[in-house]
Amino acid sequence: KAGVTQTPRYLIKTRGQQVTLSCSPISGHRSVSWYQQTPGQGLQFLFEYFSETQRNKGNFPGRFSGRQFSNSRSEMNVSTLELGDSALYLCASSLVDREREAQYFGPGTRLLVL
Amino acid sequence: AQSVAQPEDQVNVAEGNPLTVKCTYSVSGNPYLFWYVQYPNRGLQFLLKYITGDNLVKGSYGFEAEFNKSQTSFHLKKPSALVSDSALYFCAVRDEGGSYIPTFGRGTSLIVHP
Repeated sequence: KAGVTQTPRYLIKTRGQQVTLSCSPISGHRSVSWYQQTPGQGLQFLFEYFSETQRNKGNFPGRFSGRQFSNSRSEMNVSTLELGDSALYLCASSLVDREREAQYFGPGTRLLVL
Repeated sequence: AQSVAQPEDQVNVAEGNPLTVKCTYSVSGNPYLFWYVQYPNRGLQFLLKYITGDNLVKGSYGFEAEFNKSQTSFHLKKPSALVSDSALYFCAVRDEGGSYIPTFGRGTSLIVHP
């Protein structure tokens, strides 16, 4: 079974631009979560989608948004990029949205904002 | 509220020696505990989880973890370290009946010396 895939793997943007990241979960997985990983803050939860509905949201500004499609693929959008948005963005999927389920992570998209 | 702590930023061990990566947690209900490993420029990989049952959980790559309820700990162990085990290790916790969102520790860098 193919793992979680994320595209693109690397991005360079400038301040003020917007960016869209894509995530394809493991086949059959319906829950998709997004995380931001930085050396200073560690792994921070952005949001989680299940069956095309945002179920949980982390403490990030409204510039960060996402959506999930009927095939469970998910996209994340960041508008008006800031230097501090430079990070590794990780997508994780799980079979169902139960707290006992492990998450399976993609390789991440490394975003650099100049 | 749930929280998790990894008290060591870095653990150094010689190849062939046993290794321990520490994790302590705090939840209001029953904990669901997870260990993940991250290799350079990769996403997190699931290693093992504790949901209920035996306190000693066996996972991938020869790793195991011991759940200790009285000490609220879930330390990751391996009897004989390999150089290829060198990576960043994350402990995560969810509270039974609580939010689906897991809380991750800051990560512990494991360095195995030849």
